[in-house]
Parts: sequence; C-alpha cells; structure tokens
Amino acid sequence: NAGVTQTPKFQVLKTGQSMTLQCAQDMNHNSMYWYRQDPGMGLRLIYYSASEGTTDKGEVPNGYNVSRLNKREFSLRLESAAPSQTSVYFCASTVQVKPEAFFGQGTRLTVV
Amino acid sequence: QKEVEQNSGPLSVPEGAIASLNCTYSDRGSQSFFWYRQYSGKSPELIMFIYSNGDKEDGRFTAQLNKASQYVSLLIRDSQPSDSATYLCAFAGDTGGFKTIFGAGTRLFVKA
Repeated sequence: NAGVTQTPKFQVLKTGQSMTLQCAQDMNHNSMYWYRQDPGMGLRLIYYSASEGTTDKGEVPNGYNVSRLNKREFSLRLESAAPSQTSVYFCASTVQVKPEAFFGQGTRLTVV
Repeated sequence: QKEVEQNSGPLSVPEGAIASLNCTYSDRGSQSFFWYRQYSGKSPELIMFIYSNGDKEDGRFTAQLNKASQYVSLLIRDSQPSDSATYLCAFAGDTGGFKTIFGAGTRLFVKA
C-alpha cells in the first residue's frame, strides 16, 4: 500500500521555467492538499481539493495552479518559477470527515 | 500575530525522561488538534489527535488540550533517542480540516 506518492523527489529549475509536481493517493481519500514547508515557517497550505472536481486557494496560492485530475491525482503547477518558490513541497490527503492528514514523501525544489 | 506558537527548541532531554512540548493557538473556533512528528528530511506523520478538553493517552504519548487557555501539549514518557525529531502542532477550525494550520515545530533531541 503506497499511500501518497509524489514525483519528482528533487528538482532544480531556472527562474522562469515551468513544471508540474505530481501527486497520487491510493487510500480512496476524498480531499487532497498541497503544502510548502520553509525553514522556521512550518507548513503553509497552497491549494486544496475538498473533493473530486473542486479546488480552492489556501494561504499562499500566488504563482501556483492546481488540477484535480481524478479522485486519486492532484497536481501542482508552477507556470514561471521564481527563487521565492524554493521550498519543500508536500502533498497530503484526508478522509473528508477526519482531518488527519497523510503526507507524501515531499519534493525538494530549488529555483536558481 | 502567528496563529500557532511553538518554541522552536531544540529541547534536549536525557533518555528515559519525560519530554514536554507545548503549543498555543489563536483561533477559538478550532475543533481538532494534532501532533505530527517529522524526522529530518522526511514527511510529517500523525502521532496524536485530540478533539476534547482533557488528556488523551496512546502508549508513551499523552496529548493535553485546554480550549479555555487555547493550549495543547504533548508529553512523551520514557523518551528514546528514536524520538529525536521535530514535532509539529496543528489545528483545524472546521470538521473537514481543509484549512489546518501548522506550527513551525519544536525540535526534540533525546540524549542517550
């Protein structure tokens, strides 16, 4: 049982490049999330999808877009990467009525 | 004003001692409270959740919640070197937990 799987695990981008972070869960969870984690700032919510077909902004959505492709998959896109987006990105999922989150292994992104 | 306050540490305790981690939050409407453990370079994993005032025990871990004081704590009894990690406090203001707020974490070091 894989749980929540993110790809890639590491990525280096040049300023202005675009990329998509992929996330898939096999736990039949309804809700999925994208967080970023920066030193000293904890996890901050970028976007979430409460259920298939819906997406909503979190605390720090600027510079990102998301797609809930189906119940299993939730992708995060950086259209024009900036050095301020250097961070560790975590995807997570929850059963809708229980907010305890299960996290993927993270993507360490560096924008130079 | 930060919504979740945690002492960043490091908190250092000897093996076998009780480690006490504390967290305060600002949202009086919060309904769900969580403690996640995060090893260096890894993703957060849920270790405790608590919804009601009082204590909740699970093995060596006890979570304590005081909604009147907006305070939640985690006690780790018989601390082991394997408990050395960063502990993230989190709370959700709604039952769906779509906007869970995470603290920056407290680093715990258990000395053998």
